Amino acid sequence: GAGVSQSPSNKVTEKGKDVELRCDPISGHTALYWYRQSLGQGLEFLIYFQGNSAPDKSGLPSDRFSAERTGGSVSTLTIQRTQQEDSAVYLCASSPQETGELFFGEGSRLTVL
Amino acid sequence: GENVEQHPSTLSVQEGDSAVIKCTYSDSASNYFPWYKQELGKGPQLIIDIRSNVGEKKDQRIAVTLNKTAKHFSLHITETQPEDSAVYFCAARWTGGGADGLTFGKGTHLIIQP
Repeated sequence: GAGVSQSPSNKVTEKGKDVELRCDPISGHTALYWYRQSLGQGLEFLIYFQGNSAPDKSGLPSDRFSAERTGGSVSTLTIQRTQQEDSAVYLCASSPQETGELFFGEGSRLTVL
Repeated sequence: GENVEQHPSTLSVQEGDSAVIKCTYSDSASNYFPWYKQELGKGPQLIIDIRSNVGEKKDQRIAVTLNKTAKHFSLHITETQPEDSAVYFCAARWTGGGADGLTFGKGTHLIIQP
């Protein structure tokens, strides 16, 4: 399984609950990105990790969103106190270098009721 | 930051005809322009890319052109086939905040009519 793996593939939660989305990048890829794709919309940049550098969090829409990347590999995106407008597909991508091709996972579809 | 505009949002063509999708970008410092194809329920996948030192690049039925002066680039698909039906995203590489990333257009839903 050489691709980017994301879990869960689908998550339904109630408004106000916290959710965690996981991304397992391709082994050896130093860069990791999170994007959000709302229905009929493009890919909205959320956060970027590159090696051991401080992450670029400039795309996170509010302080309810956070992400971490442990050991330079697996990443977790956490959304606290979910709102209905958080419903979207959350896509993770990894890249072998800063300016290389992005390899996307199949996404985690989040539905907030 | 970078801003990428993509047109049209939906494109329907007859099988065998050509399809063209156009994008403009705002940051003249951008130097990498990939195109991604997203099939239903899948993540986007790179199909072709171009860098700013090249004006055109072709790979079988797919070609991309870049006009740096006008800050626009286009995807051309010839002899379209049913399997070309998908959502296509253009992107431009930005540099800012100490990091590099891609800014995507809003996508074009390409429909190939049999």
